[in-house]
Amino acid sequence: GAVVSQHPSWVICKSGTSVKIECRSLDFQATTMFWYRQFPKQSLMLMATSNEGSKATYEQGVEKDKFLINHASLTLSTLTVTSAHPEDSSFYICSARDPRDRSNSPLHFGNGTRLTVT
Amino acid sequence: AQSVSQHNHHVILSEAASLELGCNYSYGGTVNLFWYVQYPGQHLQLLLKYFSGDPLVKGIKGFEAEFIKSKFSFNLRKPSVQWSDTAEYFCAVNAEAAGNKLTFGGGTRVLVKP
Repeated sequence: GAVVSQHPSWVICKSGTSVKIECRSLDFQATTMFWYRQFPKQSLMLMATSNEGSKATYEQGVEKDKFLINHASLTLSTLTVTSAHPEDSSFYICSARDPRDRSNSPLHFGNGTRLTVT
Repeated sequence: AQSVSQHNHHVILSEAASLELGCNYSYGGTVNLFWYVQYPGQHLQLLLKYFSGDPLVKGIKGFEAEFIKSKFSFNLRKPSVQWSDTAEYFCAVNAEAAGNKLTFGGGTRVLVKP
């Protein structure tokens, strides 16, 4: 079945540095990928929709200059957390929908990336 | 804006007890409804989904959910839980009119005592 892979699984970085998270669709081409964020004991919140070949669409309240999204190919989207601060520490999850499925079919989720900013 | 509400944040029960988790949404028009489960240390997995047809949906691992349109609800049930059902459960709603963005409820942490 369809698989979405995220890398790294966890990362620790110092405050002020930037971190890149990769999301790959392994056996399908994803024109659209979704980035979610999950704070401890909270639900997943959609951050942005990553569109292949065009700019990402950010949800209200998400800083696009801080969370840079690049979807340069049909199988890869990257999320870069720039100038990270401790409050950016969270669990980041990407997801994608297999275009061979219906437009409202369930998303396939990556395993997530746990970011800790010290 | 659409929203999804899960009534219970934490549920603790013993093995063999019955489980019911509430989920309500506030969105008009056609919706697709999902329940996801996240076991400790693992990624989200789809339990079941409702698109149309029979409002009683059977999922994996003995779970089922009932769509009651008049109540805007999609409650998850399992007649007899096991210790391995300890996890966090998320209700999610997808509406085509909202660009197929999947909106999650706040989640319910379920602890099944052996």
